[in-house]
Amino acid sequence: KQEVTQIPAALSVPEGENLVLNCSFTDSAIYNLQWFRQDPGKGLTSLLLIQSSQREQTSGRLNASLDKSSGRSTLYIAASQPGDSATYLCAVRRGGADGLTFGKGTHLIIQP
Amino acid sequence: SAVISQKPSRDICQRGTSLTIQCQVDSQVTMMFWYRQQPGQSLTLIATANQGSEATYESGFVIDKFPISRPNLTFSTLTVSNMSPEDSSIYLCSVVSVLSGNTIYFGEGSWLTVV
Repeated sequence: KQEVTQIPAALSVPEGENLVLNCSFTDSAIYNLQWFRQDPGKGLTSLLLIQSSQREQTSGRLNASLDKSSGRSTLYIAASQPGDSATYLCAVRRGGADGLTFGKGTHLIIQP
Repeated sequence: SAVISQKPSRDICQRGTSLTIQCQVDSQVTMMFWYRQQPGQSLTLIATANQGSEATYESGFVIDKFPISRPNLTFSTLTVSNMSPEDSSIYLCSVVSVLSGNTIYFGEGSWLTVV
């Protein structure tokens, strides 16, 4: 059974810092990996999708990497802003017909 | 991307009653999923609901408790039956967007409190 772990569980940093969120998964046979953010009282917003054949994806200040063989992904946030404060969730899909298996998330606070 | 609308957005329900959550998508999608997020927890997959076939439930979830309908490619419902306080959760609908490289998108969720 796939298990997804996110470290750290919580993180509080001053505005402007670059930061890295970590995600690991136990079964490297994945179809793809997706990063989401969840704001309080809201649903999930998709940030980045990395296919199993890809090594990284970038969107604006966000960069996600994937090392499938070692079962790891990182989300890099450059020049953090208070608006980046949210819970960040990592999730993997086993196959194209499967749903997502989620980690417990990293609760991020960016201090103004 | 796909725009997903869920109703109700919030509700307070009496124990022993049932509630049906609706999920409407702005485009035709084959694959749809229902998730539960219990207070302070991450998301857990309840079932896969593909149009034209019976819903497939994950371990720990049964059709009698969570019946699902998928009448067409843009709509689905999840019913939470005979509710107890332990069913107080956010229920989220999600879809796979083939046009977006198989990205999965989520609705805003339905926040249920059972009293």
